[in-house]
Amino acid sequence: DIQMTQSPSTLSASVGDRVTITCRASQSISSWLAWYQQKPGRAPKLLIYKASSVESGVPSRFSGGGSGTEFTLTISSLQPDDFATYYCQQYSSYSPYTFGQGTKLELK
Amino acid sequence: QVQLQESGPGLVKPSQTLSLTCTVSGGSISDGGYYWSWIRQPAGKGLQWIGRVYTSGNTNYNPSLKSRVTISIDASRNQFSLNVKSVTAADTAMYYCAREAEAGGGGHWFDPWGQGTLVTVSS
Repeated sequence: DIQMTQSPSTLSASVGDRVTITCRASQSISSWLAWYQQKPGRAPKLLIYKASSVESGVPSRFSGGGSGTEFTLTISSLQPDDFATYYCQQYSSYSPYTFGQGTKLELK
Repeated sequence: QVQLQESGPGLVKPSQTLSLTCTVSGGSISDGGYYWSWIRQPAGKGLQWIGRVYTSGNTNYNPSLKSRVTISIDASRNQFSLNVKSVTAADTAMYYCAREAEAGGGGHWFDPWGQGTLVTVSS
C-alpha cells in the first residue's frame, strides 16, 4: 500500500491566517493527489484534484501544490467556514486507494 | 447532477453480514463508464477505501478486506451494493458510497459522495 502521512495532525489558527498542510506519500505518486474538507457529520467535500487543480465552486483562497512524494494544501486567508478536518488521497494506485490520517484545523 | 444515497440496517450482529445499497439519482449508473466505490470511516478516525465496481460488474477491493467484501451493481435499479461478511465491532463505521470523478480505468478522486450511513456492529 502507498502510505499517506499528513502533518500536522492538528493545526490551531486564527481567522485571516495563512495556513499550510503537508501530505507525504511513501512512494512517488506523480500528481495523482486529491484534497478533501470534512465537517462533523458530513461527507468529505472535494477541494483539489491532480495536486493543484481547484474544484469548481471552491473558493480561490484554497490552493494545492507539489508532486512526487510531497504535497501541500494552502488556505491563503482563513475564514470561519474553513475550520474542519482535511484529508489527502492518493489515486496513483487503486490497490488500494489510501488517505492521509487527517489534519484538524481548529480555531486558536 | 448525480446524487448518491446509502441505505441499509444501522445495526448488525457480530459474525453476520453487513449489507448496504447505494441508490444513484440524477443520471444512469451505466452512463459514462464510471467506477463506483464504498468508503468507510470509524467514529473519530480516518477514511478507508473498501472497493469499487465498474458498470460492467468488474470489481477491485482493498486487499485488507478482500476476503470478506463483495460489491455488485444492479443497473436496472440504478444501484450498487456492499456486503461485508463475518463482521466484528471493528467494522462499526460510517459507510459512504461515492463515484470516481472521471470515467475509465486507472485511479481517480471521488466526487460526488453520498451523505453516509452509520452501521454499528453489536449484539
